[in-house]
Amino acid sequence: AAGVIQSPRHLIKEKRETATLKCYPIPRHDTVYWYQQGPGQDPQFLISFYEKMQSDKGSIPDRFSAQQFSDYHSELNMSSLELGDSALYFCASSFGGAASNEQYFGPGTRLTVT
Amino acid sequence: EDKVVQSPLSLVVHEGDTVTLNCSYEVTNFRSLLWYKQEKKAPTFLFMLTSSGIEKKSGRLSSILDKKELSSILNITATQTGDSAIYLCAVLIQGAQKLVFGQGTRLTINP
Repeated sequence: AAGVIQSPRHLIKEKRETATLKCYPIPRHDTVYWYQQGPGQDPQFLISFYEKMQSDKGSIPDRFSAQQFSDYHSELNMSSLELGDSALYFCASSFGGAASNEQYFGPGTRLTVT
Repeated sequence: EDKVVQSPLSLVVHEGDTVTLNCSYEVTNFRSLLWYKQEKKAPTFLFMLTSSGIEKKSGRLSSILDKKELSSILNITATQTGDSAIYLCAVLIQGAQKLVFGQGTRLTINP
């Protein structure tokens, strides 16, 4: 079965640069979630979208923005990158927004900021 | 079918009381169990438990996983009104990359 696809899988950027992470949900899923997991830390919820509208917002810095497109894929844009942004960024998808109790995770994008 | 069940669904206590929230699971391939606190809309991550019997603690909150009993508890001591929230338990399924949530426990702390 098709899973959540994230690209790129690895990304190396320098401080103050910009990065864009992409997430392609499972076909027919309408909800996308973004999580950030720093080295040795627990995952933190960043933001979610349901039917192309932002549905929940967590601990997402103002330097980050995200959107969900008409084909339901989502992009996380990160500007003015800082060393502390180095982390594994997971995307998850589900069907039915907050009513769903199952989120399927992608493999993650490992971002390294130097 | 993977299932996560929380109890109680709702709990009302007085400030200063200690509460214990329960989470049990039946899943195909367990990887980790996570606890979240949800106030208004955005969930706040509390704990991730992977190993059985090791207590994780953060201030007045603590949690422990029992893989033999397929369950976890979340304890909150000396509760405060700010602890009022929905507490969500979720299990991460290995391989499927799937996070399955329980129904949540709505905790209300009265002054």
